[in-house]
Amino acid sequence: DAGVIQSPRHEVTEMGQEVTLRCKPISGHDYLFWYRQTMMRGLELLIYFNNNVPIDDSGMPEDRFSAKMPNASFSTLKIQPSEPRDSAVYFCASSHSHRGPYGYTFGSGTRLTVV
Amino acid sequence: GQNIDQPTEMTATEGAIVQINCTYQTSGFNGLFWYQQHAGEAPTFLSYNVLDGLEEKGRFSSFLSRSKGYSYLLLKELQMKDSASYLCAPWGNNNDMRFGAGTRLTVKP
Repeated sequence: DAGVIQSPRHEVTEMGQEVTLRCKPISGHDYLFWYRQTMMRGLELLIYFNNNVPIDDSGMPEDRFSAKMPNASFSTLKIQPSEPRDSAVYFCASSHSHRGPYGYTFGSGTRLTVV
Repeated sequence: GQNIDQPTEMTATEGAIVQINCTYQTSGFNGLFWYQQHAGEAPTFLSYNVLDGLEEKGRFSSFLSRSKGYSYLLLKELQMKDSASYLCAPWGNNNDMRFGAGTRLTVKP
């Protein structure tokens, strides 16, 4: 299995531009999570899906952020318009509902820089 | 709500033993994970505790006390490659996993 695949690995964009981050979870995993990591705030849960349905988006910072999961093999996190304070590493993770001792598998992350 | 407390930084010597503590308060409790994260990389799974007691896995062990809301990660025979951040993550009723701020461990020769 190729693991959780995120793209792009790095993104540099100007303030005000739209940014779309992509994630392909591990096949067969029915949970998908989006996290954001910064030095100041650590690893924060933004939103998670179960069977493609958003379950909890209380961590989404504001209306500029949106996430979709149109099918079991693809999810996007969109920021529109982007701001410098959105600069962070964004991780996608997936798991099986009976994850028991195995936890989540994380993608390599997307390092976003908004200038 | 959920509160997770870990020391911010720790330093230890190669070959030594180090214990990283974590206290937590969660809405419900299903288990607790420990993750390791090297600088610039994604977190990777280390251990999972659901029952009270010590789970040993090679050089790493993890302990849980559910009644006290307390866990620790024990690293033995430290190696330079163990320099990383260690994240405590209780798994609560919301069926999601939220992480502590992490403990940055530096192993010195």
